[in-house]
Amino acid sequence: RKEVEQDPGPFNVPEGATVAFNCTYSNSASQSFFWYRQDCRKEPKLLMSVYSSGNEDGRFTAQLNRASQYISLLIRDSKLSDSATYLCVVSLSGNTPLVFGKGTRLSVIA
Amino acid sequence: EPEVTQTPSHQVTQMGQEVILRCVPISNHLYFYWYRQILGQKVEFLVSFYNNEISEKSEIFDDQFSVERPDGSNFTLKIRSTKLEDSAMYFCASRWQGGTGELFFGEGSRLTVL
Repeated sequence: RKEVEQDPGPFNVPEGATVAFNCTYSNSASQSFFWYRQDCRKEPKLLMSVYSSGNEDGRFTAQLNRASQYISLLIRDSKLSDSATYLCVVSLSGNTPLVFGKGTRLSVIA
Repeated sequence: EPEVTQTPSHQVTQMGQEVILRCVPISNHLYFYWYRQILGQKVEFLVSFYNNEISEKSEIFDDQFSVERPDGSNFTLKIRSTKLEDSAMYFCASRWQGGTGELFFGEGSRLTVL
């Protein structure tokens, strides 16, 4: 069973649309959760950490369901610049290596 | 804004040759990492380094790989005898001690083994 699973997409959405990505993780002991963004042939960059209570940063909302071992990312009012691959990332703690999902590719179309 | 820098950005080498990839982490960071990403695949952990020693390594990080921090600023990854399957993007990352786990990645070094 893969450690972090994501729908690879691609998700092709028009500007202004709302899009949601899902992710599941296999290790129930995981404690830290993140969404990273990766542009083509670039390094991953932290988009947001995911907290148990859920958290929002502008147009982005992240949710965590520990019981189901499920993480989500919602992007509202999509912009062309949101086009990228979104990586679901977990770790056992802040000191342990990050485990990456393969990513979900998003294309926002004008 | 401080950043992780990596050199070279791209290296082409012949199979069996030694390669050294260099990284300068953010100056006040204490945890250092190498990850790799084969084209079209996920980002994979190779090794973590803290207090001048390896703290954790993956099964990918076999005897052909080594890391060192020779001078307190550079953090290097050496591949002793490259194989075709070592072709990938290699990302260096660093983290401040006591952080939330957020890693800051360099732009990567693309290694092509012919």
